[in-house]
Amino acid sequence: GQQLNQSPQSMFIQEGEDVSMNCTSSSIFNTWLWYKQDPGEGPVLLIALYKAGELTSNGRLTAQFGITRKDSFLNISASIPSDVGIYFCAGDYQGGSEKLVFGKGTKLTVNP
Amino acid sequence: GAGVSQTPSNKVTEKGKYVELRCDPISGHTALYWYRQSLGQGPEFLIYFQGTGAADDSGLPNDRFFAVRPEGSVSTLKIQRTERGDSAVYLCASSLSGFHGYTFGSGTRLTVV
Repeated sequence: GQQLNQSPQSMFIQEGEDVSMNCTSSSIFNTWLWYKQDPGEGPVLLIALYKAGELTSNGRLTAQFGITRKDSFLNISASIPSDVGIYFCAGDYQGGSEKLVFGKGTKLTVNP
Repeated sequence: GAGVSQTPSNKVTEKGKYVELRCDPISGHTALYWYRQSLGQGPEFLIYFQGTGAADDSGLPNDRFFAVRPEGSVSTLKIQRTERGDSAVYLCASSLSGFHGYTFGSGTRLTVV
């Protein structure tokens, strides 16, 4: 089935540093979403993107829907310890379908 | 309730047994989804309900898996003749129709021994 390539797989950073992660696909996506998952919890929606080229911010988080509609990135500025977790990109590539395809996640560790 | 509620939070069962996993969506959300998440992986789509009907069940791995949502609210995922490979976290999510940013529950961790 359709796969999303998410990178990097893991990141170890110092508190206060900026972080960037991205997601690519071989197919065109209509929607890109970024989720964060804490241990023992379900994913929580961070940002949703609906148009090619769209750049959206949510506090210290910024995400963009690539112009080719085949990629997206998520930036976190001035990281803090509570940013620790696994970040997933997800997308809807079958226009009109409600199901999402998820990447394998980027595990973020923030050292105080 | 305020969020998506899944019960039980953990389930250990023996190979070959039947299990039911329950999901209570956010009140008023017409769309309900089941996903399965294996260790170290992202969630994988199983089935999607719009109201009472299964609009897309293309992710169910085989006929041992079945889900219902008889009154358009609570849903039950049913797994027959469980196998060790069914061990995973089963996530339920709900949303207003047409909105992809759905709200997930905390999941049911199923372990088949």
